Amino acid sequence: TQLLEQSPQFLSIQEGENLTVYCNSSSVFSSLQWYRQEPGEGPVLLVTVVTGGEVKKLKRLTFQFGDARKDSSLHITAAQPGDTGLYLCAGAASGYSTLTFGKGTMLLVSP
Amino acid sequence: KAGVTQTPRYLIKTRGQQVTLSCSPISGHRSVSWYQQTPGQGLQFLFEYFSETQRNKGNFPGRFSGRQFSNSRSEMNVSTLELGDSALYLCASSLSLAGKAYEQYFGPGTRLTVT
Repeated sequence: TQLLEQSPQFLSIQEGENLTVYCNSSSVFSSLQWYRQEPGEGPVLLVTVVTGGEVKKLKRLTFQFGDARKDSSLHITAAQPGDTGLYLCAGAASGYSTLTFGKGTMLLVSP
Repeated sequence: KAGVTQTPRYLIKTRGQQVTLSCSPISGHRSVSWYQQTPGQGLQFLFEYFSETQRNKGNFPGRFSGRQFSNSRSEMNVSTLELGDSALYLCASSLSLAGKAYEQYFGPGTRLTVT
């Protein structure tokens, strides 16, 4: 059974601050995805990383896949209130057609 | 392309009743997965359908069932509702082929409240 642990579970910061959230596992994943979910809505895909050590940038968001493909991080620079939401990571293991989701990090950015 | 749609968006039911939720995937997507989301447990996988066949199943009791139609639309049914079934039920579609997980595209969910 693949498990993904996300930390921290909850993060409350002021606008303009930087932050990093983590997604860790003891299992190897062939790819890892990050989603953001706003209250009352479904998760929206932000990015997919597939190569160990890969770094992808999406405006102020930087995603990194660990060299061993067991962990990932999401760094947000100069957070804005619009970044508020639940950030979920999801891993795809080789040979499986389903994703394993972490429980998420709830981010609250105050003006 | 139109996104994933789910109906209804909100539902209130009484213990012991049954409920049917509907999901229409993105055009061309043949895989439909269902998830239950609660504050305590997070996103939990219910089942996945591909080409009208259940391909994967999560660890939920038999009260939870689903099906997929030839046009890839899917329904899930929960019988004999319990208070603990109150949750956001999410449907996701993907291009998933056998043995490979692709990105999931989620609908807005159905908020089920059991009283």
